[in-house]
Amino acid sequence: AQKITQTQPGMFVQEKEAVTLDCTYDTSDPSYGLFWYKQPSSGEMIFLIYQGSYDQQNATEGRYSLNFQKARKSANLVISASQLGDSAMYFCAMVGNTDKLIFGTGTRLQVFP
Amino acid sequence: DTEVTQTPKHLVMGMTNKKSLKCEQHMGHRAMYWYKQKAKKPPELMFVYSYEKLSINESVPSRFSPECPNSSLLNLHLHALQPEDSALYLCASSQDRRGTGRHSNQPQHFGDGTRLSIL
Repeated sequence: AQKITQTQPGMFVQEKEAVTLDCTYDTSDPSYGLFWYKQPSSGEMIFLIYQGSYDQQNATEGRYSLNFQKARKSANLVISASQLGDSAMYFCAMVGNTDKLIFGTGTRLQVFP
Repeated sequence: DTEVTQTPKHLVMGMTNKKSLKCEQHMGHRAMYWYKQKAKKPPELMFVYSYEKLSINESVPSRFSPECPNSSLLNLHLHALQPEDSALYLCASSQDRRGTGRHSNQPQHFGDGTRLSIL
């Protein structure tokens, strides 16, 4: 069975600072993918970044980067230069050898001026 | 604006009503999904369609009936719902990974959701 764990229910960060959102996972599938999504209060789920289990390098997308440590089964999201618009719920998710995307419980990020 | 369009954005219905949620995408994706999300919880997968065929049903009650008329459209027919069915219903689509033999590396693209309230 696959499992995603996000241990931070809420995080605060000051504008322009960097923040790391934690995600650990468990799976027996040899091939899997890890995704991060942002969900503002309006409800839409916005795809941010993807990391494949066989990728040698950590994924980066603009201000988002993924700190992938396969041996530790962690895939932490790093947001650099936080902006007020980054305030939202952030979900880590995994897909294995099925089409099922399994989500963690989420971390609510609040960026303050 | 998202590339996956869901209608209506809000729906209030009684327990005896019949209504439908609609989802449309024009990205050429061949996999489409329905999720249910309760407040302050992560989305939970309900159904997956691959090439217009139902491939996954996560033991969803029969009062929820999905339909995929073509590769761009996904419907969710609702009948005799219960108050606990009140939630945000999200539709998503992605490239299908059929034949690759590996996990899907294609992100799912979500719509804005339909906020459903059952009276």
